[in-house]
Amino acid sequence: DAKTTQPPSMDCAEGRAANLPCNHSTISGNEYVYWYRQIHSQGPQYIIHGLKNNETNEMASLIITEDRKSSTLILPHATLRDTAVYYCIVRVGGAQKLVFGQGTRLTINP
Amino acid sequence: DTGVSQNPRHKITKRGQNVTFRCDPISEHNRLYWYRQTLGQGPEFLTYFQNEAQLEKSRLLSDRFSAERPKGSFSTLEIQRTEQGDSAMYLCASSSRDSYNSPLHFGNGTRLTVT
Repeated sequence: DAKTTQPPSMDCAEGRAANLPCNHSTISGNEYVYWYRQIHSQGPQYIIHGLKNNETNEMASLIITEDRKSSTLILPHATLRDTAVYYCIVRVGGAQKLVFGQGTRLTINP
Repeated sequence: DTGVSQNPRHKITKRGQNVTFRCDPISEHNRLYWYRQTLGQGPEFLTYFQNEAQLEKSRLLSDRFSAERPKGSFSTLEIQRTEQGDSAMYLCASSSRDSYNSPLHFGNGTRLTVT
């Protein structure tokens, strides 16, 4: 699976959009981009995934660049409950396991 | 609640004892995974089942570790002769057969402390 690079930490003000970047410059054509988050003392929570088109669900939006070498997870109106570690993962289509990196620790400030 | 259920939530044991954890996946999910997470690190893959067949094991899964999924439903992870280095959060996840890129859904883990 391709390696991802994320900033170790980010801050965002409550009510603003949180934009979390992820670099996956070695991604292959059949690899999907997944985002998970982990709130303290809980298991990772699935947020969203995509291949090459932008995706949106009730939690977030995923923007993937045209060359697919990077992506951004957008939380449109961050709340204090969005404080968590966010993991960006690339996964080969059809592969089973997810390989987690260190993630980005996002802190939402009041 | 129809999410992944893990029991117990916490386990404290003395070095050298055996421990067993249970995972109940989301109903009808045929794929089940075990991960381990130590403080400050991302989860690390241990093993994966499709139905009752264990299809992949990580090198992290030493011979003291054994996982089973006898009827393709719940799974157990046993650690024999526990060591202090086994202290970690043990996470279980499941995914659906509906799509080959179905996301994994995680439980809230079992936190093991070996004293």
